[in-house]
Amino acid sequence: DGGITQSPKYLFRKEGQNVTLSCEQNLNHDAMYWYRQDPGQGLRLIYYSQIVNDFQKGDIAEGYSVSREKKESFPLTVTSAQKNPTAFYLCASSSSWANEQFFGPGTRLTVL
Amino acid sequence: EDQVTQSPEALRLQEGESSSLNCSYTVSGLRGLFWYRQDPGKGPEFLFTLYSAGEEKEKERLKATLTKKESFLHITAPKPEDSATYLCAVQAGGSNYKLTFGKGTLLTVNP
Repeated sequence: DGGITQSPKYLFRKEGQNVTLSCEQNLNHDAMYWYRQDPGQGLRLIYYSQIVNDFQKGDIAEGYSVSREKKESFPLTVTSAQKNPTAFYLCASSSSWANEQFFGPGTRLTVL
Repeated sequence: EDQVTQSPEALRLQEGESSSLNCSYTVSGLRGLFWYRQDPGKGPEFLFTLYSAGEEKEKERLKATLTKKESFLHITAPKPEDSATYLCAVQAGGSNYKLTFGKGTLLTVNP
């Protein structure tokens, strides 16, 4: 089945630690995205990538980093510089810039 | 700056009681308006894309419409399984990538 997978589903981090969230898609989409969702707020864009080995900052990139070494994969690292990392993280992909984005199941990150 | 406002924030309906959700938007040249459904603890599920004023799309009990300033998601004879948060997002003509999301409407349908 084609789709987007994210792992892990739940992640707990101690303050000062970096953690990496995985996102894989087998839809053959060129573009991939990372969003953050907080209660009572709309989804906010962290990073996006149009092609392999290229990515751009979104609205809230501070404290995050990404890589795009393969078309299918777009991992997100939440660094210790992110002041308030507890949130629900969503990965998405799209086949072209004018089309809809499809989302993965999400990873809930909690900082202890 | 692109803005999306959804109303109401929450809506409670009885099974079979039809209603509408509103999405008002301000965008510099609309490229597309998107509706998603999100269940608790899950990723958003794509429902519709609307591109121009006057366009309508339907899927089962849902119908989405678009004007130059807002979009409506009409729910006809809802069932409890329609309970979810419905998200609206817009894509501006010059953005090439960015979706601006509203905060969503939490719909609860009671049996």
